[in-house]
Amino acid sequence: GENVEQHPSTLSVQEGDSAVIKCTYSDSASNYFPWYKQELGKRPQLIIDIRSNVGEKKDQRIAVTLNKTAKHFSLHITETQPEDSAVYFCAAMDRRADGLTFGKGTHLIIQP
Amino acid sequence: EAQVTQNPRYLITVTGKKLTVTCSQNMNHEYMSWYRQDPGLGLRQIYYSMNVEVTDKGDVPEGYKVSRKEKRNFPLILESPSPNQTSLYFCASSRASGSTYEQYFGPGTRLTVT
Repeated sequence: GENVEQHPSTLSVQEGDSAVIKCTYSDSASNYFPWYKQELGKRPQLIIDIRSNVGEKKDQRIAVTLNKTAKHFSLHITETQPEDSAVYFCAAMDRRADGLTFGKGTHLIIQP
Repeated sequence: EAQVTQNPRYLITVTGKKLTVTCSQNMNHEYMSWYRQDPGLGLRQIYYSMNVEVTDKGDVPEGYKVSRKEKRNFPLILESPSPNQTSLYFCASSRASGSTYEQYFGPGTRLTVT
Protein backbone atom coordinates (compact mmCIF):
# COMPACT_ATOMS: atom_id res chain seq x y z
CA GLY A 1 0.00 0.00 0.00
CA GLU A 2 0.84 3.67 -0.01
CA ASN A 3 3.38 5.05 2.47
CA VAL A 4 3.61 8.78 3.19
CA GLU A 5 6.56 10.32 5.03
CA GLN A 6 6.25 13.86 6.40
CA HIS A 7 8.96 16.22 7.69
CA PRO A 8 9.61 17.93 9.97
CA SER A 9 7.51 16.70 12.87
CA THR A 10 7.78 20.11 14.54
CA LEU A 11 8.46 23.46 12.88
CA SER A 12 8.86 26.76 14.70
CA VAL A 13 9.00 29.99 12.69
CA GLN A 14 8.83 33.69 13.48
CA GLU A 15 5.59 35.43 12.67
CA GLY A 16 5.82 36.85 9.17
CA ASP A 17 8.36 34.29 7.96
CA SER A 18 7.61 31.42 5.59
CA ALA A 19 7.08 27.78 6.53
CA VAL A 20 7.66 24.74 4.36
CA ILE A 21 6.50 21.21 5.13
CA LYS A 22 7.61 18.33 2.93
CA CYS A 23 6.11 14.92 2.16
CA THR A 24 7.16 11.93 0.09
CA TYR A 25 4.98 9.10 -1.10
CA SER A 26 5.71 5.60 -2.36
CA ASP A 27 2.96 4.65 -4.81
CA SER A 28 3.57 6.14 -8.25
CA ALA A 29 -0.11 5.55 -9.07
CA SER A 30 -1.26 8.06 -6.46
CA ASN A 31 -2.80 11.07 -8.13
CA TYR A 32 -4.40 13.20 -5.44
CA PHE A 33 -2.53 15.01 -2.65
CA PRO A 34 -4.45 17.04 -0.07
CA TRP A 35 -3.26 18.97 2.96
CA TYR A 36 -5.30 19.12 6.15
CA LYS A 37 -4.99 21.53 9.05
CA GLN A 38 -5.98 20.48 12.56
CA GLU A 39 -6.23 23.13 15.24
CA LEU A 40 -5.97 22.07 18.85
CA GLY A 41 -9.03 20.07 19.88
CA LYS A 42 -10.63 20.39 16.47
CA ARG A 43 -11.24 18.12 13.51
CA PRO A 44 -8.92 18.08 10.46
CA GLN A 45 -10.02 20.39 7.67
CA LEU A 46 -8.87 20.55 4.06
CA ILE A 47 -6.84 23.66 3.26
CA ILE A 48 -5.51 22.89 -0.22
CA ASP A 49 -5.16 19.94 -2.57
CA ILE A 50 -3.42 19.14 -5.83
CA ARG A 51 -3.86 16.53 -8.52
CA SER A 52 -1.03 14.87 -10.38
CA ASN A 53 -1.62 16.74 -13.64
CA VAL A 54 -0.67 20.03 -11.94
CA GLY A 55 2.74 21.04 -10.62
CA GLU A 56 1.74 23.90 -8.35
CA LYS A 57 -1.39 25.40 -6.85
CA LYS A 58 -1.80 28.60 -4.82
CA ASP A 59 -4.52 29.96 -2.60
CA GLN A 60 -3.63 33.31 -1.06
CA ARG A 61 -0.80 32.66 1.43
CA ILE A 62 -0.63 28.91 0.93
CA ALA A 63 0.73 26.93 -1.98
CA VAL A 64 1.44 23.31 -2.76
CA THR A 65 4.05 21.99 -5.17
CA LEU A 66 4.22 18.48 -6.58
CA ASN A 67 7.15 16.66 -8.15
CA LYS A 68 5.80 13.40 -9.55
CA THR A 69 9.18 12.19 -10.74
CA ALA A 70 10.68 12.45 -7.28
CA LYS A 71 7.37 11.52 -5.60
CA HIS A 72 7.34 14.42 -3.22
CA PHE A 73 5.08 17.37 -2.53
CA SER A 74 5.36 20.36 -0.25
CA LEU A 75 3.19 22.90 1.53
CA HIS A 76 4.36 26.51 1.58
CA ILE A 77 2.88 29.11 3.89
CA THR A 78 4.05 32.69 3.44
CA GLU A 79 3.71 35.64 5.82
CA THR A 80 2.81 33.31 8.68
CA GLN A 81 0.33 34.52 11.28
CA PRO A 82 -0.54 33.28 14.79
CA GLU A 83 -3.67 31.56 13.48
CA ASP A 84 -1.47 29.35 11.30
CA SER A 85 -0.34 27.52 14.43
CA ALA A 86 -1.75 23.99 14.11
CA VAL A 87 -0.87 20.44 13.10
CA TYR A 88 -0.69 19.96 9.35
CA PHE A 89 -1.16 16.60 7.65
CA CYS A 90 -0.28 15.69 4.10
CA ALA A 91 -1.98 12.74 2.42
CA ALA A 92 -1.94 10.75 -0.79
CA MET A 93 -4.71 8.91 -2.54
CA ASP A 94 -3.49 5.40 -3.22
CA ARG A 95 -4.04 3.22 -6.27
CA ARG A 96 -7.31 1.85 -4.94
CA ALA A 97 -8.71 5.41 -5.11
CA ASP A 98 -10.70 4.54 -2.06
CA GLY A 99 -8.87 6.13 0.80
CA LEU A 100 -6.23 8.55 1.92
CA THR A 101 -2.94 7.62 3.51
CA PHE A 102 -1.83 10.37 5.86
CA GLY A 103 1.60 11.50 6.97
CA LYS A 104 2.28 11.64 10.69
CA GLY A 105 1.76 15.37 10.88
CA THR A 106 3.80 18.55 11.45
CA HIS A 107 3.21 20.74 14.46
CA LEU A 108 3.69 24.30 13.20
CA ILE A 109 4.41 26.88 15.88
CA ILE A 110 4.32 30.57 15.00
CA GLN A 111 6.51 32.57 17.37
CA PRO A 112 5.37 36.17 18.02
CA GLU B 1 -26.01 22.54 7.46
CA ALA B 2 -23.77 19.97 5.81
CA GLN B 3 -22.06 17.97 8.49
CA VAL B 4 -20.72 14.71 9.86
CA THR B 5 -21.81 13.84 13.38
CA GLN B 6 -20.41 11.30 15.81
CA ASN B 7 -21.69 9.98 19.11
CA PRO B 8 -20.61 9.80 21.79
CA ARG B 9 -17.94 12.50 21.86
CA TYR B 10 -16.29 11.03 24.94
CA LEU B 11 -16.43 7.50 26.28
CA ILE B 12 -14.68 5.72 29.12
CA THR B 13 -15.24 1.98 29.23
CA VAL B 14 -13.72 -1.22 30.55
CA THR B 15 -11.90 -3.99 28.76
CA GLY B 16 -14.23 -6.40 26.99
CA LYS B 17 -17.43 -4.36 27.13
CA LYS B 18 -18.85 -4.06 23.63
CA LEU B 19 -19.41 -0.54 22.35
CA THR B 20 -20.58 1.25 19.22
CA VAL B 21 -19.62 4.70 18.01
CA THR B 22 -22.15 6.12 15.59
CA CYS B 23 -21.39 8.25 12.55
CA SER B 24 -23.88 10.01 10.32
CA GLN B 25 -23.56 12.39 7.38
CA ASN B 26 -26.22 14.47 5.63
CA MET B 27 -24.36 15.21 2.38
CA ASN B 28 -25.41 12.08 0.47
CA HIS B 29 -21.75 11.04 0.26
CA GLU B 30 -20.95 7.60 -1.09
CA TYR B 31 -17.64 7.22 0.71
CA MET B 32 -17.25 6.98 4.47
CA SER B 33 -14.25 6.08 6.58
CA TRP B 34 -13.03 5.65 10.15
CA TYR B 35 -9.62 6.82 11.37
CA ARG B 36 -7.86 6.67 14.67
CA GLN B 37 -5.45 9.38 15.72
CA ASP B 38 -2.61 8.66 18.13
CA PRO B 39 0.26 10.97 19.15
CA GLY B 40 3.17 10.66 16.75
CA LEU B 41 1.29 8.30 14.44
CA GLY B 42 -1.01 10.67 12.62
CA LEU B 43 -4.32 9.50 11.20
CA ARG B 44 -4.60 5.81 10.39
CA GLN B 45 -7.50 4.36 8.48
CA ILE B 46 -9.44 1.58 10.21
CA TYR B 47 -12.22 0.74 7.73
CA TYR B 48 -13.85 2.43 4.79
CA SER B 49 -17.00 2.04 2.73
CA MET B 50 -17.47 2.96 -0.91
CA ASN B 51 -21.24 2.66 -0.72
CA VAL B 52 -24.10 0.84 0.98
CA GLU B 53 -23.22 -2.75 1.87
CA VAL B 54 -19.64 -2.26 0.61
CA THR B 55 -16.96 -2.12 3.30
CA ASP B 56 -13.25 -2.90 3.36
CA LYS B 57 -10.33 -2.94 5.72
CA GLY B 58 -7.98 -0.02 6.05
CA ASP B 59 -4.52 -0.10 7.55
CA VAL B 60 -5.42 -0.98 11.17
CA PRO B 61 -8.69 -3.00 11.16
CA GLU B 62 -7.89 -5.50 13.93
CA GLY B 63 -10.38 -5.37 16.79
CA TYR B 64 -12.96 -3.31 14.89
CA LYS B 65 -16.08 -3.98 12.86
CA VAL B 66 -18.24 -1.71 10.71
CA SER B 67 -21.50 -1.87 8.82
CA ARG B 68 -23.09 0.25 6.10
CA LYS B 69 -26.76 -0.58 5.92
CA GLU B 70 -27.79 2.96 5.00
CA LYS B 71 -25.91 5.56 2.99
CA ARG B 72 -25.86 8.13 5.76
CA ASN B 73 -24.70 5.92 8.65
CA PHE B 74 -21.42 4.12 9.26
CA PRO B 75 -21.11 2.83 12.85
CA LEU B 76 -17.83 1.59 14.33
CA ILE B 77 -18.14 -1.44 16.58
CA LEU B 78 -15.63 -2.65 19.15
CA GLU B 79 -16.77 -6.13 20.14
CA SER B 80 -14.23 -6.54 22.95
CA PRO B 81 -12.33 -3.31 23.54
CA SER B 82 -8.79 -3.43 24.87
CA PRO B 83 -6.58 -0.67 26.35
CA ASN B 84 -4.59 -0.38 23.10
CA GLN B 85 -7.76 0.90 21.45
CA THR B 86 -7.68 3.99 23.63
CA SER B 87 -7.50 6.71 21.01
CA LEU B 88 -9.20 9.63 19.29
CA TYR B 89 -11.51 8.39 16.54
CA PHE B 90 -12.68 10.34 13.52
CA CYS B 91 -15.35 9.47 11.02
CA ALA B 92 -15.14 11.10 7.59
CA SER B 93 -17.17 11.19 4.41
CA SER B 94 -16.62 12.32 0.84
CA ARG B 95 -17.92 11.99 -2.66
CA ALA B 96 -16.48 8.94 -4.36
CA SER B 97 -15.62 10.73 -7.58
CA GLY B 98 -14.98 14.17 -9.00
CA SER B 99 -12.13 16.60 -9.15
CA THR B 100 -11.60 16.57 -5.43
CA TYR B 101 -11.99 13.93 -2.80
CA GLU B 102 -12.25 16.33 0.13
CA GLN B 103 -13.01 14.38 3.25
CA TYR B 104 -15.31 15.98 5.78
CA PHE B 105 -14.44 14.92 9.28
CA GLY B 106 -16.73 14.47 12.25
CA PRO B 107 -15.88 16.16 15.58
CA GLY B 108 -14.09 13.11 16.94
CA THR B 109 -14.74 10.59 19.71
CA ARG B 110 -12.22 10.27 22.51
CA LEU B 111 -12.28 6.69 23.78
CA THR B 112 -10.54 5.46 26.90
CA VAL B 113 -10.47 1.72 27.64
CA THR B 114 -9.35 0.78 31.15
